[in-house]
Parts: sequence; C-alpha cells; structure tokens
Amino acid sequence: DVKVTQSSRYLVKRTGEKVFLECVQDMDHENMFWYRQDPGLGLRLIYFSYDVKMKEKGDIPEGYSVSREKKERFSLILESASTNQTSMYLCASSLSDYGYTFGSGTRLTVV
Amino acid sequence: GQQLNQSPQSMFIQEGEDVSMNCTSSSIFNTWLWYKQDPGEGPVLLIALYKAGELTSNGRLTAQFGITRKDSFLNISASIPSDVGIYFCAGHMPRAGTALIFGKGTTLSVSS
Repeated sequence: DVKVTQSSRYLVKRTGEKVFLECVQDMDHENMFWYRQDPGLGLRLIYFSYDVKMKEKGDIPEGYSVSREKKERFSLILESASTNQTSMYLCASSLSDYGYTFGSGTRLTVV
Repeated sequence: GQQLNQSPQSMFIQEGEDVSMNCTSSSIFNTWLWYKQDPGEGPVLLIALYKAGELTSNGRLTAQFGITRKDSFLNISASIPSDVGIYFCAGHMPRAGTALIFGKGTTLSVSS
C-alpha cells in the first residue's frame, strides 16, 4: 500500500513564525498535493506539484509556499504564520490524476 | 475556484437505516470519486467512477456517475456504527493539469 507520511500530527506555533509542514510518500508518485480542511468548508487546494521542482497554485495559495526538491517529498511553508492559518492540513499523492492517497493530516494551531 | 455542491451537510440516523447523499456541479466532470474520513485521519477512497451512467458497488456502498456528468450519488445500505465519519465527493474536470475538486462533505452520525 502507498503510504503518505506527514511529519507531525499536531503543531502549535506562534504568530509570525515560519512553519514547515513535511510530507513524504513512498511509492514513486509523480503528483503531490496540499489541502487544508476547515469545518463547513471541506478540502481546499493550496498547492500541487506534478513533478520535481514544479509547483502550481491551487485555490487558496496566499500566505503559503511549497518546495519539491525530491520526488518523494513535498513541503508546505507558512512564511509568517497567522491565526487564520489554524487548520487541518492534508497532504496527498497520486500516480494518475484520480486516485489520491492522503496522509493522516497535521493539525496546526497558531497562537 | 470550482465548487461541488454536496448534500446533505449532516445526517443523524439509526443503525440499520439506509443513507443517501449526492453531489452536483455546474460543470462536466470526467471522474467522480467518493472518500470517507474517519475522525483524526485523512480521507480514504471508497469508490471511483469513470463513465457516465456507471453504477458501482463496494460492499454496502453503491455509487453512480450521473448521465449528464454533472452529478453523482452515494448510497449506504443497512448502516452500522463504524460508518460514522465525513463523506466527501470529488471530481476531476476534463482539463489536463488540474487537481481533484472536493465537496464540503456530509457528516454521518449513526446511533445504535
């Protein structure tokens, strides 16, 4: 089975800090994605990547950046964390355009 | 961005009841998928639909890809307590280089 591992299940950070959320997949998938999940809003796409060093903005990229230096790793960066970025962050990967495998999520609280 | 309209937002049912939820879009989709998210975990794929009109089952779950390609439904028969969770529909538009679009989810609660 494909495994998508997010480095932290829970994080608490201070306003203004630079925050790194790490995601690693072990099945050589080309595609990786970052979503955030908020109650009543579902999953909203932040950024995605179809290849190493390639990135595409999703629906809500403001305040975020990403890095994909290696195929298996896709990092989400909050340049200066704010309280409205408190959320559940979900990483996913896929070989095709359809079957996404998700990690267990990182619940980030910004205080 | 593009939105999927998923309903109902939440459901409270008794064990043994059947459940139905659906998703609609103003745009055509090439693929419809249904995911389930257990508390504290990431979503897991339940059913994938690739052709208009397709009806697919996975145990007690049945899903259909609408003929117009703008809608899909998921039915759960004879619900059990472990069906509790959030169910998401997702679709892929017929345009290269795009990511899945998700509905806002249906939260299912089952009382025994």
